Amino acid sequence: DVKVTQSSRYLVKRTGEKVFLECVQDMDHENMFWYRQDPGLGLRLIYFSYDVKMKEKGDIPEGYSVSREKKERFSLILESASTNQTSMYLCASMRAPGGYGYTFGSGTRLTVV
Amino acid sequence: EDKVVQSPLSLVVHEGDTVTLNCSYEVTNFRSLLWYKQEKKAPTFLFMLTSSGIEKKSGRLSSILDKKELSSILNITATQTGDSAIYLCAVTNAGGTSYGKLTFGQGTILTVHP
Repeated sequence: DVKVTQSSRYLVKRTGEKVFLECVQDMDHENMFWYRQDPGLGLRLIYFSYDVKMKEKGDIPEGYSVSREKKERFSLILESASTNQTSMYLCASMRAPGGYGYTFGSGTRLTVV
Repeated sequence: EDKVVQSPLSLVVHEGDTVTLNCSYEVTNFRSLLWYKQEKKAPTFLFMLTSSGIEKKSGRLSSILDKKELSSILNITATQTGDSAIYLCAVTNAGGTSYGKLTFGQGTILTVHP
């Protein structure tokens, strides 16, 4: 069964900490995405990657960076966590070209205190 | 900038009711519209719509796209408590890349009471 795996389901971090959220897919998909989900705002795109070492900013990249050193792994980095980054973070991957829908991970609920 | 708006934002019904969820969009070079269901974990795929007027159906769920009105509806008949979830609508454009960015709406929270 194909999978997108996010390393942590729940995470609590302190303000100012550097936080790494990991996402691994086993489908050999080219495209990978990081979204955050907040009530009333839906899913908003933070960053995406269409190839190893390639990355593009999404709609809300401020305060975040990403790393894609291997095709199967896409990491989201919060350089200095702040309370307004408390959210549900969803990773997704998609085959390209020709893919239409995403396969999502189960999400990481991050709380910054 | 691509935009997706869903309505209502939340809905409470009783088992057996029929519900209609709405999604409207503004997107340059529309390619497809997708519906997802999200319970406690990852969103799961329901439908992908690319052609206007063709209904997609899966059990008690159905969906249709109206490209003239730039909208889609998701219908659920004879609702059950297991239909309680967030329903997400998303669109993708046929831009000059194959990156496949999806633009999501806010989601509709459906609660079905026994």
